[in-house]
Amino acid sequence: NAGVTQTPKFRVLKTGQSMTLLCAQDMNHEYMYWYRQDPGMGLRLIHYSVGEGTTAKGEVPDGYNVSRLKKQNFLLGLESAAPSQTSVYFCASRTGAGSTGELFFGEGSRLTVL
Amino acid sequence: QQQVKQSPQSLIVQKGGISIINCAYENTAFDYFPWYQQFPGKGPALLIAIRPDVSEKKEGRFTISFNKSAKQFSLHIMDSQPGDSATYFCAAQAGGFKTIFGAGTRLFVKA
Repeated sequence: NAGVTQTPKFRVLKTGQSMTLLCAQDMNHEYMYWYRQDPGMGLRLIHYSVGEGTTAKGEVPDGYNVSRLKKQNFLLGLESAAPSQTSVYFCASRTGAGSTGELFFGEGSRLTVL
Repeated sequence: QQQVKQSPQSLIVQKGGISIINCAYENTAFDYFPWYQQFPGKGPALLIAIRPDVSEKKEGRFTISFNKSAKQFSLHIMDSQPGDSATYFCAAQAGGFKTIFGAGTRLFVKA
């Protein structure tokens, strides 16, 4: 079982470039999330989605955009990358309301912005 | 503003010892408190979780202690093993949508 798959796993960008991270889940989960992980700061929620066609802001949404056009996919976009966006990005998913709340994570996408 | 405060940042424990990680929260609307374990190069995975209507939950060598009045909860790893060396995150969830994580604790168990 694939679970949650993130692509690409590694990417190096120059300041001002744009890119999209793709998250795909095959568990038919309703909710999907994008987190960033930085040393000493844990996992911070960027954006999330509670269903196809919906998105909402998390704790640190500035500089990012997201789209959930299909239930199984959640895209994270950087329109104009900045060095402060150098981080490891994790996608997660879970079943909908009434579930235990367990998040299933991908293996991460390491982004470096020069 | 960190809604879930976790300590210590790092922890070194001898094999066979007890590892203790503490977390505190402020939002009384939180209703689900999971702990996640993360190995290098991998995503976090659920280890154990508790709801605020119980004071303790044990699964094997892992125990969560929960103090609702103090708004604190902790993870105890009994008989710690080198294979337990990982980063541990406490977290809290309210309303079923968002999970907020602590800053993480890097645990190293010496053989």
